[in-house]
Amino acid sequence: DQQVKQNSPSLSVQEGRISILNCDYTNSMFDYFLWYKKYPAEGPTFLISISSIKDKNEDGRFTVFLNKSAKHLSLHIVPSQPGDSAVYFCAASTMDTGRRALTFGSGTRLQVQP
Amino acid sequence: EAGVTQFPSHSVIEKGQTVTLRCDPISGHDNLYWYRRVMGKEIKFLLHFVKESKQDESGMPNNRFLAERTGGTYSTLKVQPAELEDSGVYFCASSYGWVRAQYFGPGTRLLVL
Repeated sequence: DQQVKQNSPSLSVQEGRISILNCDYTNSMFDYFLWYKKYPAEGPTFLISISSIKDKNEDGRFTVFLNKSAKHLSLHIVPSQPGDSAVYFCAASTMDTGRRALTFGSGTRLQVQP
Repeated sequence: EAGVTQFPSHSVIEKGQTVTLRCDPISGHDNLYWYRRVMGKEIKFLLHFVKESKQDESGMPNNRFLAERTGGTYSTLKVQPAELEDSGVYFCASSYGWVRAQYFGPGTRLLVL
């Protein structure tokens, strides 16, 4: 049973436009959410995170929105740049004491066209 | 500051052989994690160390996998004997204290023939 879902395997946007990547989760115990970017043959690179006590977190061109009632989060990249082309993973962790395991989605491949 | 490093970057072994993967976390990070990505599927958690202690090993697939973190610094993950389904990319990550963001290494690509 996949607890973190990224239903769009790929997304293509024009340079300068907004990229919106979506993620849904089913486990109501998740209280911390992260986005990672991954280039081929490299490990995931941490981008931005959000705690369940917030509904928005912003860092430069990256903004993450959390809708707890819908169990949905999204990553907005504005403006998109060709160097943003990569696979983006959504991840979540629970509030269980001592448990830090991240549960990952299957990823969305973003292609930013020059 | 150096990131998480992993060795080797690639390993090709035959079924039944033993392989040991190594991870050096970011200096000062007391939390160390192992993850695995098999056949392009989701990245899945294997286990979590806090210093030298195993905090959570709920993701370890079976007793052919043995992880250690002697001295609370680097960690090793041994697969013995390796099976075909163990092929994949093994990632190590680390974090400090209560900071929940985890920083990943480049991974070790394991191919079992």
